[in-house]
Amino acid sequence: GEDVEQSLFLSVREGDSSVINCTYTDSSSTYLYWYKQEPGAGLQLLTYIFSNMDMKQDQRLTVLLNKKDKHLSLRIADTQTGDSAIYFCADVLSGNTPLVFGKGTRLSVIA
Amino acid sequence: GAVVSQHPSWVICKSGTSVKIECRSLDFQATTMFWYRQFPKQSLMLMATSNEGSKATYEQGVEKDKFLINHASLTLSTLTVTSAHPEDSSFYICSARPGNEQYFGPGTRLTVT
Repeated sequence: GEDVEQSLFLSVREGDSSVINCTYTDSSSTYLYWYKQEPGAGLQLLTYIFSNMDMKQDQRLTVLLNKKDKHLSLRIADTQTGDSAIYFCADVLSGNTPLVFGKGTRLSVIA
Repeated sequence: GAVVSQHPSWVICKSGTSVKIECRSLDFQATTMFWYRQFPKQSLMLMATSNEGSKATYEQGVEKDKFLINHASLTLSTLTVTSAHPEDSSFYICSARPGNEQYFGPGTRLTVT
């Protein structure tokens, strides 16, 4: 079945850019998502990208998709302490099939 | 974005009792909802896909008689944990997808004593 992999930890200084990476295995993925989870909370949808796109930018967030390498990244510009959280990458094949999640990357922002 | 709510946000129950968790889509209709379980410091584990008006589809290893799912309307799905045991203590999250975006509820923390 589909497998989504992420590095588990990332630490950055406040004001720097953060780049969180994700790889997936199924080339049939249609949409790829980034979610943020703060302690004790549900998942907040940050952004998503359609598989025929290479890049999507939304304010401080930039998503890059390399479909050939099955690699997705999320760049957070000017990282703030409020960005400290766990970030999950997920993909979906189509229709009402469930999302497949990575294990999450814990981002720590050092003031 | 769309809003998914859950109730209760946390619950403590005694071993052997049953607990019902509600998931509502507040501003859209959801023919399909997803139920996840999350253990501390771990990713989300899909438990089942809930379909309005029909039986839920359970993932392998999830006991359908223990985790009863009812999707009686286009805005409400319920998960009932029957005869709860301490190992059922977890964070339960529901989700729905109105279009291409999938939204999650705030989660329900269940503690079984």
